Amino acid sequence: ETGVTQTPRHLVMGMTNKKSLKCEQHLGHNAMYWYKQSAKKPLELMFVYNFKEQTENNSVPSRFSPECPNSSHLFLHLHTLQPEDSALYLCASSQAGAYQETQYFGPGTRLLVL
Amino acid sequence: QKEVEQNSGPLSVPEGAIASLNCTYSDRGSQSFFWYRQYSGKSPELIMSIYSNGDKEDGRFTAQLNKASQYVSLLIRDSQPSDSATYLCAVRTGGGNKLTFGTGTQLKVEL
Repeated sequence: ETGVTQTPRHLVMGMTNKKSLKCEQHLGHNAMYWYKQSAKKPLELMFVYNFKEQTENNSVPSRFSPECPNSSHLFLHLHTLQPEDSALYLCASSQAGAYQETQYFGPGTRLLVL
Repeated sequence: QKEVEQNSGPLSVPEGAIASLNCTYSDRGSQSFFWYRQYSGKSPELIMSIYSNGDKEDGRFTAQLNKASQYVSLLIRDSQPSDSATYLCAVRTGGGNKLTFGTGTQLKVEL
């Protein structure tokens, strides 16, 4: 595997379900991110982890719960979601502090909440 | 006021023409600027980054930055149908690693 991978690629869940999104980066980076992309809206930053520590929570509802067990893996645990949470969820990684630091994205998980 | 603004388009250009995509930003402290390309149903892919005033060229792509005017642009020369996508402008402010994105400009290159 190379770059940033995400599983599953597609997910349909009911409002009472609990599911988790997984992200893995193979770039040796030390920072990982969760973004939400809804139609006609800019990419919205949800969470930032630097060296496994959460450094940004962009006022995300508690029904989204991130977990970063190490610098290569990032999870987003989902529970009691709402239909308006349907979106493309993107994971990204970067080398924090690097000269000309750049974020690289995974393929995303397309989430539909029924 | 939106932090990063882009015209949503669609911007239509004929094959072989130059496509010009524009982005303005509100925070004068912004230091790093990025253009990502996103095909429909896919994730953003980095096209160019620029950090200093002036032009930066990479193949058919040229990024232009004017910090005084708070303006960054992307020129695509010899546009091809495969360039049809949404182009996202992203800006980093200060010393952190947070990026702020625009809504993107949809580009259509017509045969």
